[in-house]
Amino acid sequence: GAGVSQSPSNKVTEKGKDVELRCDPISGHTALYWYRQSLGQGLEFLIYFQGNSAPDKSGLPSDRFSAERTGGSVSTLTIQRTQQEDSAVYLCASRAGQVTYEQYFGPGTRLTVT
Amino acid sequence: AQSVAQPEDQVNVAEGNPLTVKCTYSVSGNPYLFWYVQYPNRGLQFLLKYITGDNLVKGSYGFEAEFNKSQTSFHLKKPSALVSDSALYFCAVRPSSSDSWGKFQFGAGTQVVVTP
Repeated sequence: GAGVSQSPSNKVTEKGKDVELRCDPISGHTALYWYRQSLGQGLEFLIYFQGNSAPDKSGLPSDRFSAERTGGSVSTLTIQRTQQEDSAVYLCASRAGQVTYEQYFGPGTRLTVT
Repeated sequence: AQSVAQPEDQVNVAEGNPLTVKCTYSVSGNPYLFWYVQYPNRGLQFLLKYITGDNLVKGSYGFEAEFNKSQTSFHLKKPSALVSDSALYFCAVRPSSSDSWGKFQFGAGTQVVVTP
């Protein structure tokens, strides 16, 4: 399939542990987004990568959250010292480029912090 | 600051009846408006967008939406709902003048339930 893929699909972790979530965007898409979806809260923007530009990190909720995108393709969202309030579905989306508008979303990673 | 409101948590409609999902927005300048749908255990799928031009835009699966600048609304509509339209619908906005393409604001979502 040529869609956005995310792994793992589910992750259960203990409070205080670090987790890494992976996103493989559609090949050739230069823009990549991370969102957090909590029940009844809609989608919360976390971070945005566009090509080689500096990422827009304005949505990251705390310094425990970080993300990188290697080689302009795969992205990893890292949450350090997880807290119970981090439990949510983390969605990744990619977009073809600056003159396109549609985002293509992955199936998400459901994170549960116990 | 931009914002999106979807005033209904859930919309219930009988199959074959018209479906409307409401969305209002607040943004500086002209908006770019979007609708996405999320089926159970799947990622969001793009339905349609308004960027400029005709206020009535048509999208996937028979859906359409009307941009109303005076009411700052972008309601999603379908003339005849199907059971398979049951899903979670999200409205999103981005100001056209934004320097960063990251500044999409999504609504909280509206659950649509279509009964046979």
